[in-house]
Parts: sequence; structure tokens; C-alpha cells
Amino acid sequence: EVQLVESGGGLVQPGGSLRLSCAASGFTFSSYAMSWVRQAPGKGLEWVSAISGSGSGTLYADSVKGRFTISRDNSKNTLYLQTNSLRAEDTAVYYCAKNEGSSCYGPGDVWGKGTTVTVSS
Amino acid sequence: DIVMTQSPDSLAVSLGEGATINCKSSQSVLYSSNNKNYLAWYQQKPGQPPKLLIYWASTRESGVPDRFSGSGSGTDFTLTISSLQAEDVAVYYCQQYYSSPFTFGPGTKVDIK
Repeated sequence: EVQLVESGGGLVQPGGSLRLSCAASGFTFSSYAMSWVRQAPGKGLEWVSAISGSGSGTLYADSVKGRFTISRDNSKNTLYLQTNSLRAEDTAVYYCAKNEGSSCYGPGDVWGKGTTVTVSS
Repeated sequence: DIVMTQSPDSLAVSLGEGATINCKSSQSVLYSSNNKNYLAWYQQKPGQPPKLLIYWASTRESGVPDRFSGSGSGTDFTLTISSLQAEDVAVYYCQQYYSSPFTFGPGTKVDIK
């Protein structure tokens, strides 16, 4: 069974950092691009970042560019999102998603349950 | 950035009746070299992650009931639920993956009348 499990969320002060992780199982991890999508409380979905299967290609939303870094460890079947200089508007549930193919340019066909990031003093 | 809009914001439909959701992109998401529309539809129920329903504008994801269908090309797209079931109560989002950032529409809430 294909499964994605996010972790690493929590309460952090403005300006702080968190590293989110997404453990993948049930598929050949290195063959698929992966994405992060977030959802602020009571709001819609916002695409955050994507990374190719090899890790050589990355894309970011303007709202996080320069503050967030997406990466992956294909030997550990794990996706990461390093979030720095966090702001109140980064408060959201962060979902990881497996892309439908190896390219970043594709939909997310399997999603984790999400991890919650709260940025507050 | 490509801006995605959806209409209506919400709709209430009787059980067994059809529902239509529209999605419009601010520029074409049709890639001419492969003639594919880079457009997906997702369903999100309360407290759950999104679920992929349709991709490439009209390809139904495996396991999705055939009452869900997608159509359209270029900048105008439609998600149709042919016969609404109680379990279809959800918010539906379109997303373009043609150009980064891969923007979502604001969502359409579907309820039972």
C-alpha cells in the first residue's frame, strides 16, 4: 500500500525554523517527484514546493522562496521541507504528496494526512 | 502566475441530481507539444487530505467512480458529478500544473439540498 506519513510540525515562534519530514512507503520513491502543499486554517490549498525524483530539480512558490528548502533522501525514502524565518502566515497544515510521475509538472496522486505548523509568540 | 478561478463558490444539489463546477485559468494550460491540458481536480472532505479525482483535465484517477468526469481545454474546464451521492459532499479544487507556481482554484463547496 502506498503511504506517506508527515512529521515535524509544531509550535514555533516567528523567525524560527522547523524541518518537516515525509516518510514514504509502498512505491519506488526515487522514481517519482514529490510535492508539499499547505492549507491555512479554514482556507484553501496552496502549493508550496516540488522536487524531481532524482532531486536535481526543485520549484518553489514565491511566498516561500529563499526561506524554505525542499530536499529528499532516496536511500531513506524520505522527503523534507526545511522551513526558516517562519511567519504567522506560514501557519497551516502541511501535506506531502507523491506526484503522478517523475516530473515536477504533474498532479499529486497520493497524499499524506498532514502535519500542523503553528507560528505564534 | 496563472490565476485559477472557480464557479460557483458553493452549490447544493439534491441526491441523484447532477452537479457542475467550472474552473478557469488566466492563461492556457494546454501544452501544444503533447496536446495535454495540465489541469487536475481534487476532492477534499472535512478533516481529510485532498484526493485526486481527475488529471490531464479528463483522465479519471484509478478507483474514482465514473459519475465524476472532467472536460474542457485551454482555459475553461468543468468537473461534472452526474448523480450526486451523499459521500460526494466536499470541497472541490482545480489545480494547474502547467507553470510554476502550480496554483489551485479557491474551491467549490458541494452540499446536499
